[in-house]
Amino acid sequence: AQSVTQPDIHITVSEGASLELRCNYSYGATPYLFWYVQSPGQGLQLLLKYFSGDTLVQGIKGFEAEFKRSQSSFNLRKPSVHWSDAAEYFCAVDSGTYKYIFGTGTRLKVLA
Amino acid sequence: EPEVTQTPSHQVTQMGQEVILRCVPISNHLYFYWYRQILGQKVEFLVSFYNNEISEKSEIFDDQFSVERPDGSNFTLKIRSTKLEDSAMYFCASKAGSNTGELFFGEGSRLTVL
Repeated sequence: AQSVTQPDIHITVSEGASLELRCNYSYGATPYLFWYVQSPGQGLQLLLKYFSGDTLVQGIKGFEAEFKRSQSSFNLRKPSVHWSDAAEYFCAVDSGTYKYIFGTGTRLKVLA
Repeated sequence: EPEVTQTPSHQVTQMGQEVILRCVPISNHLYFYWYRQILGQKVEFLVSFYNNEISEKSEIFDDQFSVERPDGSNFTLKIRSTKLEDSAMYFCASKAGSNTGELFFGEGSRLTVL
């Protein structure tokens, strides 16, 4: 069965530091992968997506993610974190059967 | 930019009452979804809807839940007799077509069952 794992429940980084949020998936075919961000009390905003082609994808707000088939990973990165990036981040895979499967989320805290 | 809109943003109800959450998907989209997020937990799939019928539903989506697209614009989620454990944020989402992949989410409707 398809699944998404985000191993880190909480991550704390200092403003200006680099960030990497981990995501591992289990899926039989080439997956469609997504990262969403959720600010407190808000909905889900798409940061970036991977369908095919270049395995390094660029998103909004300076985020990027790299698809690594050999590691079944789709980690999210940002070279320099801003205080406004504090939020919860969800990785998701399109299951191919009408639905997305979400990971449990990683809550990012940014220290000034 | 087109967006998915949901109403109400917050509803408080007594246990056993019926609740209807409303959504207006993006106008040219064909696939519609409801997801649920219990406070502090993951986003869980409830149901998908295409061509005026349910295409897939999760084990959460039992007989107490129903969805409807009563006209060309609205997509509703009804909970017939709410339970305390139905308290959650409910997200509506829509997608243009099966191969485009991207789900667009609404801001959510927070349901509190007392």
